[in-house]
Parts: sequence; structure tokens; C-alpha cells
Amino acid sequence: SYELTQPPSVSVSPGQTARITCSGDALPKKYAYWYQQKSGQAPVLVIYGDNKRPSEIPERFSGSSSGTMATLTISGAQVEDEADYYCYSTDSSGNQRVFGGGTKLTVL
Amino acid sequence: QVQLQESGPGLVKPSQTLSLTCTVSGGAINSGSHYWSWVRQPAGKGLEWIGRISTSGNTNYNPSLKSRVTMSMDTSNNQFSLKLTSVTAADTAVYYCARDTYGGNSYYFDYWGQGALVTVSS
Repeated sequence: SYELTQPPSVSVSPGQTARITCSGDALPKKYAYWYQQKSGQAPVLVIYGDNKRPSEIPERFSGSSSGTMATLTISGAQVEDEADYYCYSTDSSGNQRVFGGGTKLTVL
Repeated sequence: QVQLQESGPGLVKPSQTLSLTCTVSGGAINSGSHYWSWVRQPAGKGLEWIGRISTSGNTNYNPSLKSRVTMSMDTSNNQFSLKLTSVTAADTAVYYCARDTYGGNSYYFDYWGQGALVTVSS
């Protein structure tokens, strides 16, 4: 079955740049999406189509994808950005819809 | 602004059927070419897609759950539903409903409900 691989945790100080990676064999063909999930809340879409940001998401959030790796970048991370981040995509056929295992971002 | 709200029993006995309904507000469920999905998350764990349904009733299910899942659509009430049979403790999770939108080369979830905790226990 198709898998997306993320690091379990990333830690940065406030104001630093946080980068969270997601690797998957079908990422050259399929978009990556990123969701932010704060404790006890539903996931929120922060990046779609590899690098597009919903209008309500702060500009410090950006996405990129190259080869089999997608990256979520938070430039100037803030304490309120502490959350679990999940990448999402599909296999090359579009039939298997999977989330990465999630990355816990700590900002302190 | 589309809003989704899950409803249903919070406690289900082992071997019985879990049933949840998602009510969509802020727009007609059959406006646009969207699918409607269910995603679940056990406590402290990651997200798992369960399946989706179109407004015409076409369904796609996660192969790992396919034998136990049934989804249905009620466009007159702007609702869609999930049934999961023969539940065990492993099915204890927060269940989310979400709107499924086409993003150019794949579908993704752009709006989510707040989630409903379902516990499987006798």
C-alpha cells in the first residue's frame, strides 16, 4: 500500500524557519496537501496543490515539491503555530488516499 | 462558508454497527462537483480516510475497511451518512466528515466537521 513518510517531530525557536518534509513515490505526479491540527481540533488546510495557500492562512506558510519530496515551510514560526502537521496525497492511480504519519511542531 | 457537523451515538457496543450522520450547511450538498468523505483518528494517532460518496450515490471505500463500510446520501436534507459494522475497540476514534474537492490531479479535503468521538465498549 502507498505510504507518505514524515519526521515525527520538528523543533524551532520563535522567529526561526521550520521545515517539515513528506516523501512519497507518487509525489512527482500527484499534488501534496498540508493540514494543521491543533490539540483537540479538526484539521485545517494550510497548503493545497503543492504550493497554494488558502486566503485565510498567514503568508509565513508556504509549500514546495521536488521529485519524491514535498516540504512545508513556516518562515518566522510563532508559538501559535505549534501543532501536528499532516501531509496528504494519493498514489499514482488516485485510488489510495493517504496521510503521512504527522509531524509534531514545537516552537519554544 | 460551508460548514459540516457530525452527529450520532458516542458509545457503541462491540460487534454492533456504528452510525454517524453529517449535516452540511452554508450551501446545497449537491452544488458543484464535490464528493463527501469520512476520515477517522484514533486518540494520539494519525488520520485515516474511510471512504467517500458523491451526490449521485457513487462510493469509494478504503480497501482496509471496505467489507464493513456503507455510505449513503440524502440530498433533500443536505446530509450524508456512515455505517461501520462489526465494530471492535480498534474502531474507537474521532470521526470527521469532510468535503472532497478536485484539485487538478487529485481530490483533497477542504472543509471539515469538528469531529465526533465514538467509543466502542461494552
